[in-house]
Amino acid sequence: SYELTQPPSVSVSPGQTASITCSGDKLGDKYASWYQQKPGQSPVLVIYEDAKRPSGIPERFSGSNSGNTATLTISGTQAMDEADYYCQAWDSSTGVFGGGTKLTVL
Amino acid sequence: EVVLLESGGGLVQRGGSLRLSCAASGFTFSSYAMTWVRQAPGKGLEWVSAISGSGGSAYYADSVKGRFTISRDNSKNTLFLQMNTLRAEETAVYYCAKGAMNENYYYAMDVWGQGTTVTVSS
Repeated sequence: SYELTQPPSVSVSPGQTASITCSGDKLGDKYASWYQQKPGQSPVLVIYEDAKRPSGIPERFSGSNSGNTATLTISGTQAMDEADYYCQAWDSSTGVFGGGTKLTVL
Repeated sequence: EVVLLESGGGLVQRGGSLRLSCAASGFTFSSYAMTWVRQAPGKGLEWVSAISGSGGSAYYADSVKGRFTISRDNSKNTLFLQMNTLRAEETAVYYCAKGAMNENYYYAMDVWGQGTTVTVSS
């Protein structure tokens, strides 16, 4: 079965750029999406189709996907961005999520 | 406003069955694929199942294939997940989520419910 791998944790200072990676075999040939989940809340879609932002998502969130790696980038990270982030893809008629990355803003 | 409201969770014994529902409002339900995603306590998201807008196509994770059945009633704007032969490790919050684009779009989910908790006792 298809697998997506994310680093368990990423730390960033306020105002700096955070990058969260998601690796999978030929992931660049698929659409990657990203979700933000804060404690006790439901996930929120922040990036879809590799690099598109849903309405209401701040411009500081961006995405890319090439080769075997998709990347979520948060520019000018704010304290409110501290959350768990999950990548997701669709492969062989099945959805799959990465294990999640805890973003700490300190 | 687009709203998804899950119900039907609860405590069930190992090997038992449960039927989850997800009531949708604020959009043309039949025009969008729908997905179930679960999250065990303290763990990450796990994709469970998806269904096309018409209900004609359904997809399952290997872990639930043959035991879970996804369905929808477009006349009642409701999504279902019938879960049979439940296992203790399937204790989780179960979310329903709306596909972001159209009735056959499974690549991203743009609206999520608040989740319903399923506890499988061993």
